[in-house]
Amino acid sequence: GQNIDQPTEMTATEGAIVQINCTYQTSGFNGLFWYQQHAGEAPTFLSYNVLDGLEEKGRFSSFLSRSKGYSYLLLKELQMKDSASYLCAVLDSNYQLIWGAGTKLIIKP
Amino acid sequence: IAGITQAPTSQILAAGRRMTLRCTQDMRHNAMYWYRQDLGLGLRLIHYSNTAGTTGKGEVPDGYSVSRANTDDFPLTLASAVPSQTSVYFCASSEGSGASTDTQYFGPGTRLTVL
Repeated sequence: GQNIDQPTEMTATEGAIVQINCTYQTSGFNGLFWYQQHAGEAPTFLSYNVLDGLEEKGRFSSFLSRSKGYSYLLLKELQMKDSASYLCAVLDSNYQLIWGAGTKLIIKP
Repeated sequence: IAGITQAPTSQILAAGRRMTLRCTQDMRHNAMYWYRQDLGLGLRLIHYSNTAGTTGKGEVPDGYSVSRANTDDFPLTLASAVPSQTSVYFCASSEGSGASTDTQYFGPGTRLTVL
């Protein structure tokens, strides 16, 4: 079967750095997405990786290793507004997104 | 520019009733999707449409039907609601059709409670 694993919850301090990991086992791979979802709101797109390596976009970076079935989202200089759930999703061989359950990130002052 | 709109925002429904959730996008995107989101689970695809006039089944299609008469609208119908269909429903769209890596953009969601 297809599986996406992420930690359920993480806590970090304002101004710090946090890394949210995602491991996957899917039938085929056509890229990996990270989305942010604030409580009660819609998911919003953060990043897309299809090649191995690190993609940096401001305070957020996303890394992919296809051989290890592994990705992480790195958030730097954490702000209170970064408190949200972060969803990892893999585009499978049928070009359908398989979603992880999300990681709830709690930022403390 | 509204992007994707969904209606209603929330609804409480008696079991056995018929309900249609509406979804409209103004981005002229080809593909549209319906997901449900339940606590502790990832988003699960119910139905999708790669282009107007075509639809397909996702991971959890039972009890739901969709239609895609035009590019903009993609309604989801529950023919006879059951309590297990209590969930938050998200509509999404992406520019490409078929085999595409395009980003999906989400509507604000409909919170549905079936009693």
